[in-house]
Amino acid sequence: GEDVEQSLFLSVREGDSSVINCTYTDSSSTYLYWYKQEPGAGLQLLTYIFSNMDMKQDQRLTVLLNKKDKHLSLRIADTQTGDSAIYFCALGNTDKLIFGTGTRLQVFP
Amino acid sequence: DVKVTQSSRYLVKRTGEKVFLECVQDMDHENMFWYRQDPGLGLRLIYFSYDVKMKEKGDIPEGYSVSREKKERFSLILESASTNQTSMYLCASSSEYRETQYFGPGTRLLVL
Repeated sequence: GEDVEQSLFLSVREGDSSVINCTYTDSSSTYLYWYKQEPGAGLQLLTYIFSNMDMKQDQRLTVLLNKKDKHLSLRIADTQTGDSAIYFCALGNTDKLIFGTGTRLQVFP
Repeated sequence: DVKVTQSSRYLVKRTGEKVFLECVQDMDHENMFWYRQDPGLGLRLIYFSYDVKMKEKGDIPEGYSVSREKKERFSLILESASTNQTSMYLCASSSEYRETQYFGPGTRLLVL
């Protein structure tokens, strides 16, 4: 089955850029997603990218997709303390989503 | 805006009790999902439903059952709760036309 991997932790200084990475094994997904989970809350859809795109930018967020290497990344520019959360990548799979393990982003002053 | 609500934010139950977790969505979505979330394991799909009275097993259905009597409501049932079912439970819904899922706030269940 599909395997989606993320590193568990990332720590960055406020104002720096954060890059959260995701690798996967199955390349048949039409859409690839990034979700954010704040402490004690459900998942919030942040952004998504269509599989025939290489890049998508949405304000401070940049999504890069390297289909050859099966690698998806989320870059957050000018990271703020409010960006501290768990970030999940997810791949579409015939009406279901396969989630990565999540990366906990900690932003320190 | 899509709204997915879950009946409780926190629940404490004893081993052996029957537990009902309720989820309601207001966007007329066909698809509904139940996940559990555990540290280091991400989200794991328990059950999902494509339509009223339909259900499909996810990756970890053992010890759980579901009910979908109305389109907007999807219930997760723990017939006899066990301590290894202590977890965060997340409900989600999606349209039949798009796989984008919208999540509820989660229910944190503690089984003693």
